[in-house]
Amino acid sequence: DGGITQSPKYLFRKEGQNVTLSCEQNLNHDAMYWYRQDPGQGLRLIYYSQIVNDFQKGDIAEGYSVSREKKESFPLTVTSAQKNPTAFYLCASSTSRGRREQYFGPGTRLTVT
Amino acid sequence: AQKITQTQPGMFVQEKEAVTLDCTYDTSDPSYGLFWYKQPSSGEMIFLIYQGSYDQQNATEGRYSLNFQKARKSANLVISASQLGDSAMYFCAMRESGNQFYFGTGTSLTVIP
Repeated sequence: DGGITQSPKYLFRKEGQNVTLSCEQNLNHDAMYWYRQDPGQGLRLIYYSQIVNDFQKGDIAEGYSVSREKKESFPLTVTSAQKNPTAFYLCASSTSRGRREQYFGPGTRLTVT
Repeated sequence: AQKITQTQPGMFVQEKEAVTLDCTYDTSDPSYGLFWYKQPSSGEMIFLIYQGSYDQQNATEGRYSLNFQKARKSANLVISASQLGDSAMYFCAMRESGNQFYFGTGTSLTVIP
């Protein structure tokens, strides 16, 4: 089955620790994205990548870092510099041509205390 | 200025009735795509329907249709014959020529039996 996986579904960390969220896709999509969603709000773009070894900052990149060493994988690291890291994180991917609709993973709910 | 505006934070509809969810957008790019996504309480974003800026006809996908009024920059989602399973958050999104997406703040739809 083709799709996007994110793990884990729930993640708990202590303040001051870096944490890495996993995102893997087997849809052969070129582009991948990370979004943050806070309660009752829409999605805000953190980072996106249109090709391996290249990525761009989104609207709220501060305190986050990413890598894109393989087409299938786009991990997101939430660093200790991120002021309010507790949120729901969604990963998505899309083709680079045509409609380019985004397909989403199930999300990771991160709680930092 | 907001790229995507959804002015209805919450909507109620009787089961089997039709409902329209509003979306307006702002872009000067002649080539863009408009998307609607459904987000159930589980959190995953589900792609519903797409409208391209050059499409002459309104998009339809089963019970979903998109009322595209280009001059007014509106892309309203119409759900016909509402079902209890339609209760969810609905997000309107736009992609301009590049690969970056912009999401609205969402509309919470509740279907009443």
